[in-house]
Amino acid sequence: DIQMTQSPSSLSASVGDAVTITCRASQSIGVFLNWYQQRPGKAPNLLIYTASNLQDGVPSRFSGSGSGTDFTLTISSLQPEDFATYYCQQSYSTPFTFGQGTRLE
Amino acid sequence: EVQLVESGGGFVQPGRSLRLSCTASGFTFGDYVMSWFRQPPGKGLEWVGYIRSQAYGGTTEYAASVKGRFSISRDDSRGIAYLQMNSLKTEDTAVFYCARARGSTSLATFAPWGQGTLVTVSS
Repeated sequence: DIQMTQSPSSLSASVGDAVTITCRASQSIGVFLNWYQQRPGKAPNLLIYTASNLQDGVPSRFSGSGSGTDFTLTISSLQPEDFATYYCQQSYSTPFTFGQGTRLE
Repeated sequence: EVQLVESGGGFVQPGRSLRLSCTASGFTFGDYVMSWFRQPPGKGLEWVGYIRSQAYGGTTEYAASVKGRFSISRDDSRGIAYLQMNSLKTEDTAVFYCARARGSTSLATFAPWGQGTLVTVSS
């Protein structure tokens, strides 16, 4: 199985800050990497697919980059609704695995 | 509007069975891969399995942790995906989500998701 490791596990930031979350795969996955946001008590919501493509309806302050084993999610200017947990997920091969999550607080 | 609604969760004793349903609306259900996930309380996300569309044989694939105990099926005429869970264990306690593949040719990118249904396995 491909292991996905996110860092940091938690991140303290303020409204207006720019933040970056990192995701590392245990083997090369090309650009087969997705990012999800999960607010407390809610279902995950797709933000970025295939490493850098913005899902419809997602604000442009979210961006993704990377390929191979190292990926990043950047939020350019935090808004109050962005304080949530973020997960990366590899879509390269089954089982489709997630990182452990990064809690933004 | 694309919508997924899970149902069927609840409290069940170890060793028993439970069937979850995921009722879809707002899109051509039969064209899409449907997947199930779970999230134990306070923990991260785990992919459980998927079922392909009938155009791709309706084939299924599962995580090792549930293979042989869980099975996914679909009723395209009713727009429902099912997760049959047998021989339940206490460690299966989780919120279970269904999700649609992002596109009709997609397999492993998931949007949207249902709201989730809680399954508690305890004696």
